[in-house]
Amino acid sequence: GENVEQHPSTLSVQEGDSAVIKCTYSDSASNYFPWYKQELGKGPQLIIDIRSNVGEKKDQRIAVTLNKTAKHFSLHITETQPEDSAVYFCAASWGTGFQKLVFGTGTRLLVSP
Amino acid sequence: DAEITQSPRHKITETGRQVTLACHQTWNHNNMFWYRQDLGHGLRLIHYSYGVQDTNKGEVSDGYSVSRSNTEDLPLTLESAASSQTSVYFCASSESPGTTDTQYFGPGTRLTVL
Repeated sequence: GENVEQHPSTLSVQEGDSAVIKCTYSDSASNYFPWYKQELGKGPQLIIDIRSNVGEKKDQRIAVTLNKTAKHFSLHITETQPEDSAVYFCAASWGTGFQKLVFGTGTRLLVSP
Repeated sequence: DAEITQSPRHKITETGRQVTLACHQTWNHNNMFWYRQDLGHGLRLIHYSYGVQDTNKGEVSDGYSVSRSNTEDLPLTLESAASSQTSVYFCASSESPGTTDTQYFGPGTRLTVL
């Protein structure tokens, strides 16, 4: 089955700096890579996703890049704001047909004013 | 607005008791999932369903069961609660089977087994 590793486990940045979170996956058949943001006391919420036929995707201050050869993908947040503080999870789809998600272990991002 | 709800939000129970966690979605989604979240493990899939009367085991299904009698609900049952099942449980749903649709998560249930 799929295995997803996520680094770092915690990340502290100053407001306005950029933040990068990296994930690697093991199954070369995985083809869907979403990123979720989880605020305290809430369920995870999708913030961006990328499919294996695309190398990069942007949505305002958030971008995701995918390197299929190296089997890793990254979340980039520019111009960070205190409200970006949360736990971020990467995931990879596993299996064919009906697809299930395997999640990384999460990154706690703290943005200091 | 359509939504996904979980109840109870907090539950304390004793070892050996049967516990059922409820999940209800109003999107009419075919797919529903149960995850548990533990520090250092992220979210791990317990069971999932792609439609009424369909249920499947996930990565960590031992000690858990689900049933799907209608589209809106997927209750999760711990047949005999164990301390190792102390965790935060999340239900999720997505629209169509066979696609990579967004999974929408509920607010979670914090379960403590004493």
